[in-house]
Amino acid sequence: AQKITQTQPGMFVQEKEAVTLDCTYDTSDQSYGLFWYKQPSSGEMIFLIYQGSYDEQNATEGRYSLNFQKARKSANLVISASQLGDSAMYFCAMRGRDTGGFKTIFGAGTRLFVKA
Amino acid sequence: DADVTQTPRNRITKTGKRIMLECSQTKGHDRMYWYRQDPGLGLQLIYYSFDVKDINKGEISDGYSVSRQAQAKFSLSLESAIPNQTALYFCATSVGGGQNTGELFFGEGSRLTVL
Repeated sequence: AQKITQTQPGMFVQEKEAVTLDCTYDTSDQSYGLFWYKQPSSGEMIFLIYQGSYDEQNATEGRYSLNFQKARKSANLVISASQLGDSAMYFCAMRGRDTGGFKTIFGAGTRLFVKA
Repeated sequence: DADVTQTPRNRITKTGKRIMLECSQTKGHDRMYWYRQDPGLGLQLIYYSFDVKDINKGEISDGYSVSRQAQAKFSLSLESAIPNQTALYFCATSVGGGQNTGELFFGEGSRLTVL
């Protein structure tokens, strides 16, 4: 069965510094996708970044980068130059094949607090 | 207007009542999903549908049922609501096909409280 693990319930970072949010996954599938979503206090889910299992380069989107280590089954999110508006919940997710077909599952999330 | 619209946005109901949460989308996506969010548990998949004639159970389908009335509409029903179904419910859509990433596009959420 597929599984996503986020071991950091909460993280603090100083404004303008970089922060890494951890994510490990488990799947027996060779083809899968990894995502990070942001949920601000307003509640909506915002897509941040995607990494395919066959992508050799780490994905980057502006201040977000995904540190993909396939052998370790980790997909950590790196946020550079943190801003106060980055304070939010962050969810790691994986789309892969399981019984019933392709579906996306989520980790428990990490709440990030950015300090001024 | 939102591409993925959920109604109602907030609902308070009593134990034993039947509740329907509705989701409609204008994105033209074939795949639709219902997730439930509880604090500390992330989002858990309830049901998903890859087209009108395809319905699949997710991780936590017990106590829920769904209906895919059209490509653009996917409803979630709680036949007899219970307090531990109090949660934030999200509808999401995605595009199928091998070249697509499977990125989910979410509605704004429906907060359900069962007393």
